Amino acid sequence: DVKVTQSSRYLVKRTGEKVFLECVQDMDHENMFWYRQDPGLGLRLIYFSYDVKMKEKGDIPEGYSVSREKKERFSLILESASTNQTSMYLCASSSSRVGDYGYTFGSGTRLTVV
Amino acid sequence: GEDVEQSLFLSVREGDSSVINCTYTDSSSTYLYWYKQEPGAGLQLLTYIFSNMDMKQDQRLTVLLNKKDKHLSLRIADTQTGDSAIYFCAESISGNTGKLIFGQGTTLQVKP
Repeated sequence: DVKVTQSSRYLVKRTGEKVFLECVQDMDHENMFWYRQDPGLGLRLIYFSYDVKMKEKGDIPEGYSVSREKKERFSLILESASTNQTSMYLCASSSSRVGDYGYTFGSGTRLTVV
Repeated sequence: GEDVEQSLFLSVREGDSSVINCTYTDSSSTYLYWYKQEPGAGLQLLTYIFSNMDMKQDQRLTVLLNKKDKHLSLRIADTQTGDSAIYFCAESISGNTGKLIFGQGTTLQVKP
């Protein structure tokens, strides 16, 4: 069964800490995405990547960075966590191959910054 | 820019049909999608429709696409309590097969 795996389901961090959220996919997908989900706001794109070592800003990149050193792994980094970054974080991957459709999502990481 | 709009909440009784609506702005979208999110979980692809189709049926699910009005709907027949979830509509961005734009999500509540 194809999978997108996020390293933690729940995470509690202190304000000012550097936080790493890891995402790994086993489908050889080219594209990977990080979203945050907040009630009433839907999914907002933070960063995405079309290839190894490539990254592009989404709609809300401030306060975040990403790393894609290997095709299967896409990491989201909160340089200095703040309470307004408390949220559900969702990783997804997709293929650029014709006939492969949509995203596959991970189970999400619920991050609380205190 | 691209935008996808959904109503936030729908409540139905078990056994009734549910209809979740969505409007989008990118008329050149190639595919439109419906995702389901159960509590505490990630999003799961339910179904998708190619932009040259008007309708797609898959068991209890029927997707209707009105390209002229840029309107997409998801009908769930014989709604069950297990259908209670958040449903997201999404459109693919023209010229880019990788990126989707999501609506805010519609919370479906199914009452016994």
